[in-house]
Amino acid sequence: GQQLNQSPQSMFIQEGEDVSMNCTSSSIFNTWLWYKQDPGEGPVLLIALYKAGELTSNGRLTAQFGITRKDSFLNISASIPSDVGIYFCAGKPYNTDKLIFGTGTRLQVFP
Amino acid sequence: EAEVAQSPRYKITEKSQAVAFWCDPISGHATLYWYRQILGQGPELLVQFQDESVVDDSQLPKDRFSAERLKGVDSTLKIQPAELGDSAMYLCASSLGTSSGEQFFGPGTRLTVL
Repeated sequence: GQQLNQSPQSMFIQEGEDVSMNCTSSSIFNTWLWYKQDPGEGPVLLIALYKAGELTSNGRLTAQFGITRKDSFLNISASIPSDVGIYFCAGKPYNTDKLIFGTGTRLQVFP
Repeated sequence: EAEVAQSPRYKITEKSQAVAFWCDPISGHATLYWYRQILGQGPELLVQFQDESVVDDSQLPKDRFSAERLKGVDSTLKIQPAELGDSAMYLCASSLGTSSGEQFFGPGTRLTVL
C-alpha cells in the first residue's frame, strides 16, 4: 500500500541536541498526525495538525503543517533518552477518515 | 482510563493453524480499524468498521482473513490458515469517526508463524 516518505530514516544524536524530521506526500492532506512507537507497543498520538501553515507544540515537540498541504515537520528540542523510538507521520486525505502512514524515523539518543 | 485494549499481546503459531485477535476500542468510539505492521514499516489498514458495518476491507486478504464487530463494540480478527508471511504486529485503533482523523491505537498483538 501507499506510504509517505519520511526523512531521515534514522538518527543517532546526543542527549540535549535538537531533532528535526519531515514527511512528504505526492498528494494533499487535510490533517497531519505524528505518532511515536516504542518497541513492541502501539503508536501513541503526539500531535495533530488541521490547517495549512499551522504550528502546534506539545511540550518539547513542535510540528508544522506545510503550506503546500503535501508535507509536515516535527522538531524535538533538548532530546532526552526517553525520546528513543520510531516516529511516524500520518496524513488524512480529504473526504475520508483513512490514514496513510509514513515509513518512520528511528531515533536513538545517546547520553 | 480511556485506552484501546487488545489480546493476546503475543501469539506464536504454526502455519496452517487458525489464530484470532481481540480488540476493545475506547468507549464511545464508533469507528474501529485493524492494521498490520511489518517490522520496519508503518501500519497498513486491513479493515475499517463504522459501528458494526464494514466500511473498507479492500486490503483484507479475504481468502484467509475475516473480521467482525457484531454488536458494534469489540471486534475479532481471524486468520485461517496462518502462513509464514502473516508474521507481523496486528494493531487495532479506534476513533470518534469525526473529520478530525485522530486514531488511537492499542498495544498490538505480535504474531509469529513458524
